Amino acid sequence: GAVVSQHPSRVICKSGTSVKIECRSLDFQATTMFWYRQFPKQSLMLMATSNEGSKATYEQGVEKDKFLINHASLTLSTLTVTSAHPEDSSFYICSARTPGGSYEQYFGPGTRLTVT
Amino acid sequence: EDQVTQSPEALRLQEGESSSLNCSYTVSGLRGLFWYRQDPGKGPEFLFTLYSAGEEKEKERLKATLTKKESFLHITAPKPEDSATYLCAGLGGATNKLIFGTGTLLAVQP
Repeated sequence: GAVVSQHPSRVICKSGTSVKIECRSLDFQATTMFWYRQFPKQSLMLMATSNEGSKATYEQGVEKDKFLINHASLTLSTLTVTSAHPEDSSFYICSARTPGGSYEQYFGPGTRLTVT
Repeated sequence: EDQVTQSPEALRLQEGESSSLNCSYTVSGLRGLFWYRQDPGKGPEFLFTLYSAGEEKEKERLKATLTKKESFLHITAPKPEDSATYLCAGLGGATNKLIFGTGTLLAVQP
């Protein structure tokens, strides 16, 4: 199956700083990538859809100025949490859709963000 | 409104005790029904995609089926390593986004 990586796997930062999370599709080109957030014992919440070369589409209630998404190439999307606060602490997971008509979506291993 | 509902929320099985997980959906213009496995602290692992009613797919002890209203994930003779949360998601034709259920937490005891 297709492989998606995320870096870092864990990050601890101080309140007010910014953190960048990278998502890479390792063995396929992904025109569309997605960013999710997951709270403990809850399902995945879609934050935004990222299309290569264009602006990300954010879900209702997600602050686009706080969660900056860049999809500069067919294998890389980044999520930057700006001016992080403790309430931004969460598990962030990216996914990438394989090209063609299968609509299959593969997920990265996730990034645990802790803001102190 | 598009919706995916999974049941039961949690299931405890003895090793070797077969069972099924249910995923009911109302998704406009469904393009595909997806099953994922998620272990604690990790991202979801892709299992199956089903595209049309009547379709079935198998992988080791798992078999997924699809009707016009629901999907089942059948687990035959489960082992402790099958313990995980199983997520079901429908891909909406209008939204082109996965709509996830809340998952079934499966625990298989030796």
